[in-house]
Amino acid sequence: DVKVTQSSRYLVKRTGEKVFLECVQDMDHENMFWYRQDPGLGLRLIYFSYDVKMKEKGDIPEGYSVSREKKERFSLILESASTNQTSMYLCASSSRRGGAFFGQGTRLTVV
Amino acid sequence: DAKTTQPTSMDCAEGRAANLPCNHSTISGNEYVYWYRQIHSQGPQYIIHGLKNNETNEMASLIITEDRKSSTLILPHATLRDTAVYYCIVSRGKLIFGQGTELSVKP
Repeated sequence: DVKVTQSSRYLVKRTGEKVFLECVQDMDHENMFWYRQDPGLGLRLIYFSYDVKMKEKGDIPEGYSVSREKKERFSLILESASTNQTSMYLCASSSRRGGAFFGQGTRLTVV
Repeated sequence: DAKTTQPTSMDCAEGRAANLPCNHSTISGNEYVYWYRQIHSQGPQYIIHGLKNNETNEMASLIITEDRKSSTLILPHATLRDTAVYYCIVSRGKLIFGQGTELSVKP
């Protein structure tokens, strides 16, 4: 079974903190994705990585950065967390042309 | 990546086939058609994908027209647990989710 694991299910951080969300996949997938999901706004792509050290901005990259130093791990970084980054964050991975598999999500609250 | 158009919502009777359409008239030759669904409060689930041939797996069938400008996802015997938002995405790899079709399966 494909496994995409996100490091936390729930996270509470303070405004201004640097936040790291980690995602690990065990299927040797080339592609990895970070999304956020908010009520009424659907699933929005933050960043996409198609190979180690390669990344592409999604629809809403502002306030976020990513790191992909190893194929299996894709990190989302909130440089200075703000309350409008309170959301459900979902990581996914896929092979080059295959279907994507999602992690269980991290519900981040910034206070 | 090509844009897709899906109906906002559809109903289906339990036990009947659910046919979910998707238009993607600007699809290019190397773009695949992917289908996902999201059941309330869960993460999206991959269903099926194809390039030009029809595809079938244990969950669904995907019918792609010969000109590849539209496709239909078929759930052959819909159950109440198939109630979800269904997303059709056309892509070479980067997945952008639209608004999808909210399918309600009714008893």
